[in-house]
Amino acid sequence: GENVEQHPSTLSVQEGDSAVIKCTYSDSASNYFPWYKQELGKRPQLIIDIRSNVGEKKDQRIAVTLNKTAKHFSLHITETQPEDSAVYFCAAAPNDYKLSFGAGTTVTVRA
Amino acid sequence: DADVTQTPRNRITKTGKRIMLECSQTKGHDRMYWYRQDPGLGLRLIYYSFDVKDINKGEISDGYSVSRQAQAKFSLSLESAIPNQTALYFCATSDVGQGVLSYEQYFGPGTRLTVT
Repeated sequence: GENVEQHPSTLSVQEGDSAVIKCTYSDSASNYFPWYKQELGKRPQLIIDIRSNVGEKKDQRIAVTLNKTAKHFSLHITETQPEDSAVYFCAAAPNDYKLSFGAGTTVTVRA
Repeated sequence: DADVTQTPRNRITKTGKRIMLECSQTKGHDRMYWYRQDPGLGLRLIYYSFDVKDINKGEISDGYSVSRQAQAKFSLSLESAIPNQTALYFCATSDVGQGVLSYEQYFGPGTRLTVT
């Protein structure tokens, strides 16, 4: 099955700085890569996703890049704000439903 | 998201007991999922269902069973609970079909289960 590794496990950034989270996957058949954000005590929510026919996708302050050859993808958050503090999960799937999640990255934005 | 609900929200049970976690959705989605979340392990798929007649094992189905009673209801059962099943359990739903613009999975609020 798919194995997704996510790094770092924790990330502390100064407000206004950028944050980068990296994930690698093992199954070359994976073609869907979503990112979920989970605030403390809340449910995970999709923040952005990318499919294998696209190399990069942006949505305001967040962006995701995908390198299929190297089997890795990354989440970039620019101009971080306190509300960006959360746990972020990457995932990979050979289709749109059987997601394999990474272990998560706890992001703390320091004021 | 009030459209996906889970009951109970918290449960403490003893080893060997049978327990059922319930999930209901009003989103009209055909696909439903059960995940467990453990610190440092992320979210792991237990079972998923495409409709009432289609149920599939996920990554970690041993010790669990499910029932899809209707399009809107998907229950997870632990036939004989053990302490290492202590975790946060999430139900999720997603849409399917031609013209679907998003593959987003919508999660319920979670059920915190403790097995003593």
